[in-house]
Amino acid sequence: AQSVTQLDSHVSVSEGTPVLLRCNYSSSYSPSLFWYVQHPNKGLQLLLKYTSAATLVKGINGFEAEFKKSETSFHLTKPSAHMSDAAEYFCVVDSGYSTLTFGKGTMLLVSP
Amino acid sequence: EAGVAQSPRYKIIEKRQSVAFWCNPISGHATLYWYQQILGQGPKLLIQFQNNGVVDDSQLPKDRFSAERLKGVDSTLKIQPAKLEDSAVYLCASSLVSGQGPEQYFGPGTRLTVT
Repeated sequence: AQSVTQLDSHVSVSEGTPVLLRCNYSSSYSPSLFWYVQHPNKGLQLLLKYTSAATLVKGINGFEAEFKKSETSFHLTKPSAHMSDAAEYFCVVDSGYSTLTFGKGTMLLVSP
Repeated sequence: EAGVAQSPRYKIIEKRQSVAFWCNPISGHATLYWYQQILGQGPKLLIQFQNNGVVDDSQLPKDRFSAERLKGVDSTLKIQPAKLEDSAVYLCASSLVSGQGPEQYFGPGTRLTVT
């Protein structure tokens, strides 16, 4: 079965500093992987997705993620955090036939 | 384009009562999903429809939960009778196609509190 593990439940950064949200996956085949963001009282929004094309995936709002098969990782990064980035982030794997399995989420806190 | 619509946004009921949630997907999206998101956890898929047929309902507690998608468009999710542990946000999502890797578009969710 496919699964993802988000290594941090909370990450705190200062505005203007880099963001790193860590995710490891487990899959018996080449997976499709996603990062979704959830702002308070708003719906989940897709940040980016990996579907076996380029291993470095660029998403919206300056986020990107790198698929590393040797490390079974799909970490999310951003060079410079903005206050509006404060939200909960979910790493997600497609378990087959578009069935998504979500990680437990990482809450990103951004301080001025 | 209009997004996924859900109603109501909030619902408070007592245990053993029944409740229903409604979802209208993005126009033309053949696949519709219902998720349950308990506080502090990621969403968990309850049921997936392809047009008006069920693709996956393996995690739907069928003794109390039911869902239908009439005419392959709108969908309703019902809980009868509700339990305290059903308190959660119920999310509806839709995608244009199914298969590996399609983008799912999520609605704002219905927050259910069971007292």
